[in-house]
Amino acid sequence: DTGVSQDPRHKITKRGQNVTFRCDPISEHNRLYWYRQTLGQGPEFLTYFQNEAQLEKSRLLSDRFSAERPKGSFSTLEIQRTEQGDSAMYLCASSLRAGVGSGELFFGEGSRLTVL
Amino acid sequence: GESVGLHLPTLSVQEGDNSIINCAYSNSASDYFIWYKQESGKGPQFIIDIRSNMDKRQGQRVTVLLNKTVKHLSLQIAATQPGDSAVYFCAENRNRDTGNQFYFGTGTSLTVIP
Repeated sequence: DTGVSQDPRHKITKRGQNVTFRCDPISEHNRLYWYRQTLGQGPEFLTYFQNEAQLEKSRLLSDRFSAERPKGSFSTLEIQRTEQGDSAMYLCASSLRAGVGSGELFFGEGSRLTVL
Repeated sequence: GESVGLHLPTLSVQEGDNSIINCAYSNSASDYFIWYKQESGKGPQFIIDIRSNMDKRQGQRVTVLLNKTVKHLSLQIAATQPGDSAVYFCAENRNRDTGNQFYFGTGTSLTVIP
């Protein structure tokens, strides 16, 4: 499978614990995005990388959230001191650089977080 | 059948009928738009895209129409099939060349009645 893969698919944690999600984008894609999606809503942008550089961060990304893409390939999203309001689906997407292909985002299946 | 996006987030159509899903976008500077399909428990899947220099684009059984004057986007699905049942999102991108984030609408849930 050469699509975007995310791990774990499901995570149940207790309030106050830290969680980390991993995303492996499509190999030739240099852009990587994290989105959050709650039930009945569209995906909300969190942050975006071009190669290893984090170029944009949403104000939704509080100080408890951190994302990295150290070698410009896979990325991790860490949530510290989780709160019940963090319960959501965390979606990763990747795309080619501008001018190559259609520019569409290719999404993974998501990592569903439940904070008890 | 036809939806009006945020005001009617669900749409039910008979199998074989045409579906029209509407989306009002927010920013007149948006220059690239994508329709995504999301099935339950899965990530969004690309359906079709359109740039702001076009007003219509056709794919296989799908057509996207863009009206920049009223900031309106629609997705037409011909001969709707049960496999088309899903939530459909429109997404707008404000500067495709710099890769700025895509903004997604609330979505419309399409149910196809066999």
